[in-house]
Amino acid sequence: GQNIDQPTEMTATEGAIVQINCTYQTSGFNGLFWYQQHAGEAPTFLSYNVLDGLEEKGRFSSFLSRSKGYSYLLLKELQMKDSASYLCAATQGDYKLSFGAGTTVTVRA
Amino acid sequence: ETGVTQSPTHLIKTRGQQVTLRCSSQSGHNTVSWYQQALGQGPQFIFQYYREEENGRGNFPPRFSGLQFPNYSSELNVNALELDDSALYLCASSALGTEAETQYFGPGTRLLVL
Repeated sequence: GQNIDQPTEMTATEGAIVQINCTYQTSGFNGLFWYQQHAGEAPTFLSYNVLDGLEEKGRFSSFLSRSKGYSYLLLKELQMKDSASYLCAATQGDYKLSFGAGTTVTVRA
Repeated sequence: ETGVTQSPTHLIKTRGQQVTLRCSSQSGHNTVSWYQQALGQGPQFIFQYYREEENGRGNFPPRFSGLQFPNYSSELNVNALELDDSALYLCASSALGTEAETQYFGPGTRLLVL
């Protein structure tokens, strides 16, 4: 089975930093994806972590600890356009993405 | 844009009817996965197709079925529609068997069952 947990909502100010945590309990775990989804749109790929550690990609960074079943997505220098839902997804075997319910981030001016 | 396309964009059906949703995968991708996303929830895995065969299935009843064609495009069929089938249906393509396993999503089909 699988269990993916992430906070429901977070609010931050433009220019600030926000960290979205995700814990997972997934059989056959391969890696951890983060997707961004604006309201009414499809999820878009942000990052994929297979090995432990931090992966940095511009303003966004993602961290994985396989032993702790834990990941986070770090959003720096927040912009209004970053207001969206952020989905954590664990891969099972070769094919299945198991998603959390998503964290809605609201960026305020 | 991911290069993954879906049709139609919106659809309204009544209970008991059948629906077919279509997905064209990104160039170079051989795998299509289908997900159902209810309002306020994360996507739930329905099934995946690889080389025209089902390659894994989530916790959905048999009235959810699919096909993949030689050009890697895919269809999702849902029979005997129920009100709870109202959702955003997403397809995602990937290149299974390579190092690039990332799934890229299409824009989705929003289905409303009345």
